[in-house]
Amino acid sequence: AQSVTQLGSHVSVSEGALVLLRCNYSSSVPPYLFWYVQYPNQGLQLLLKYTSAATLVKGINGFEAEFKKSETSFHLTKPSAHMSDAAEYFCAVIPAYSGAGSYQLTFGKGTKLSVIP
Amino acid sequence: EAGVTQFPSHSVIEKGQTVTLRCDPISGHDNLYWYRRVMGKEIKFLLHFVKESKQDESGMPNNRFLAERTGGTYSTLKVQPAELEDSGVYFCASSQDQRPLRSYEQYFGPGTRLTVT
Repeated sequence: AQSVTQLGSHVSVSEGALVLLRCNYSSSVPPYLFWYVQYPNQGLQLLLKYTSAATLVKGINGFEAEFKKSETSFHLTKPSAHMSDAAEYFCAVIPAYSGAGSYQLTFGKGTKLSVIP
Repeated sequence: EAGVTQFPSHSVIEKGQTVTLRCDPISGHDNLYWYRRVMGKEIKFLLHFVKESKQDESGMPNNRFLAERTGGTYSTLKVQPAELEDSGVYFCASSQDQRPLRSYEQYFGPGTRLTVT
């Protein structure tokens, strides 16, 4: 079964500093990969997705992620943190081939990002 | 375009009672997913509808949970009788096309926070 590991349940960065949120997946076949963000009292919003095209994926709000097959990783980065980036971030995968015909998301446990002024 | 809506936003019930959660997907989306996040754990898949049919219900925890999607529009998730371990946030998501070869995104609702006391 697929699994997703997000290193660090809480990450704090200073405003203007680099944001790096880590995600590793376990799969012999590279899955489809997603990052979602949840702001307080809101639903999950898709930040970006990797679907076997370019390995460097750009998303909304200045975020990007790089798919590295050799490291089974899909880390999320942003060069300069903003106060509005404070939220919980989820890495998720869908297997590239689904025998059941249901493309359910498998999530990591989430990382809460705090931005310090 | 209206997003995915869920009702209620919060429900507090006693152990043994019944609760029904509702999800209205984005209009025209044939695929509807239910997920649940128990406190401190990852978001987990419950089931998937394609129109009114259950495509995959492998994530349903037990027979106290009953999901329906009559007419292929809104969906309900009933928990009867509720137990303490059912507490958590229940998310609904919808998508237009689930095939990974095409542009794929699940749109999430804000969730229903269920507290069983």
